[in-house]
Amino acid sequence: DQQVKQNSPSLSVQEGRISILNCDYTNSMFDYFLWYKKYPAEGPTFLISISSIKDKNEDGRFTVFLNKSAKHLSLHIVPSQPGDSAVYFCAANPNSGGSNYKLTFGKGTLLTVNP
Amino acid sequence: DAGVIQSPRHEVTEMGQEVTLRCKPISGHNSLFWYRQTMMRGLELLIYFNNNVPIDDSGMPEDRFSAKMPNASFSTLKIQPSEPRDSAVYFCASRRTGGNEKLFFGSGTQLSVL
Repeated sequence: DQQVKQNSPSLSVQEGRISILNCDYTNSMFDYFLWYKKYPAEGPTFLISISSIKDKNEDGRFTVFLNKSAKHLSLHIVPSQPGDSAVYFCAANPNSGGSNYKLTFGKGTLLTVNP
Repeated sequence: DAGVIQSPRHEVTEMGQEVTLRCKPISGHNSLFWYRQTMMRGLELLIYFNNNVPIDDSGMPEDRFSAKMPNASFSTLKIQPSEPRDSAVYFCASRRTGGNEKLFFGSGTQLSVL
């Protein structure tokens, strides 16, 4: 049973346009969400995060939106650049009790930004 | 500042052989994680150590898998005997203990069991 779902395995956009990557979750105990980016032959690297007390967090070209009622979050990249081409993982953390270490990842979305 | 260091980068072995993957976490990080990435299941947490003590090994697939952390700067993940279905990328990650501390990943070990 997948608790964090990224339903689009891949996404292709033109350079300069907006990239929107989506993520859905089922566990209502999740209250901290992260996006990681992964290049080939490298480990995932942290990109941006959001706490459940917020509905938006922005860092430069990257913005994460959280809709708690829909159990949905999205990552917006504007403008997209060829260097953004990578696999993006959505992850969620139950930040309560003794299990706040247990980061659950989605399967990832491969973003390709075409020049 | 060195990141999480994993070795080997690639491992090709035959079914039935023992495989040992190694990890050196970032200095000062007292939480260490082993993850496995496959196409079918994505990134799965195998085991979590805090202050060198295994806290949660519920993700370890079966008894063929074992992990140790003899000190704060070294951990191993062992598969004995290995099977073709163990083929995957194995990542080690570390962080400071805390609810929202960022996780830092190594570059992974690509394991192929023939």
